[in-house]
Amino acid sequence: SQKIEQNSEALNIQEGKTATLTCNYTNYSPAYLQWYRQDPGRGPVFLLLIRENEKEKRKERLKVTFDTTLKQSLFHITASQPADSATYLCARGGSSNTGKLIFGQGTTLQVKP
Amino acid sequence: SQTIHQWPATLVQPVGSPLSLECTVEGTSNPNLYWYRQAAGRGLQLLFYSVGIGQISSEVPQNLSASRPQDRQFILSSKKLLLSDSGFYLCAWSVTERGTEAFFGQGTRLTVV
Repeated sequence: SQKIEQNSEALNIQEGKTATLTCNYTNYSPAYLQWYRQDPGRGPVFLLLIRENEKEKRKERLKVTFDTTLKQSLFHITASQPADSATYLCARGGSSNTGKLIFGQGTTLQVKP
Repeated sequence: SQTIHQWPATLVQPVGSPLSLECTVEGTSNPNLYWYRQAAGRGLQLLFYSVGIGQISSEVPQNLSASRPQDRQFILSSKKLLLSDSGFYLCAWSVTERGTEAFFGQGTRLTVV
């Protein structure tokens, strides 16, 4: 079955550093991967989508990579700020055209001032 | 612009009582609709999705059911709640094309006592 695995351990970094979060998938490469941010008690908010034919996608201080050889996506936040503290979820699309998403368990990022 | 409304925000229900959570979407037509559940510290588990009125697909066997009586209305129900039904329930929508992001409601925190 298709799975998405994220490091369940919290990531603690100092303000101003680059945070790097990892997402690994199993079986065949998904057509795309998505990254979401979730604050406590709130619904996830979409951040970035990267397709399998794209190696890298950027949006402001965010960067996502997609390595089909390693079956991995990396999510980077440069010049991190305490406001970036949240849980970040990785998701892959299913094989059908329903828009179903399979989510990882998320990685909690804590940026310390 | 599109908005998604989900209510109530919190709910405490006794074991054996019925459940009805409602979700409505505004500003779009014929969206794909989803119900997810999130256990504490875990990722999102897809419960149901719908690609049209009256069309419901269940992802996991459970004590819950879903209905879509109108194009932009999605309801999650149970006849008799179990303790294991406690969790954070999220409604989401996406456009029908594959590979687009999902937009989530604010979630309902359900506690079955």
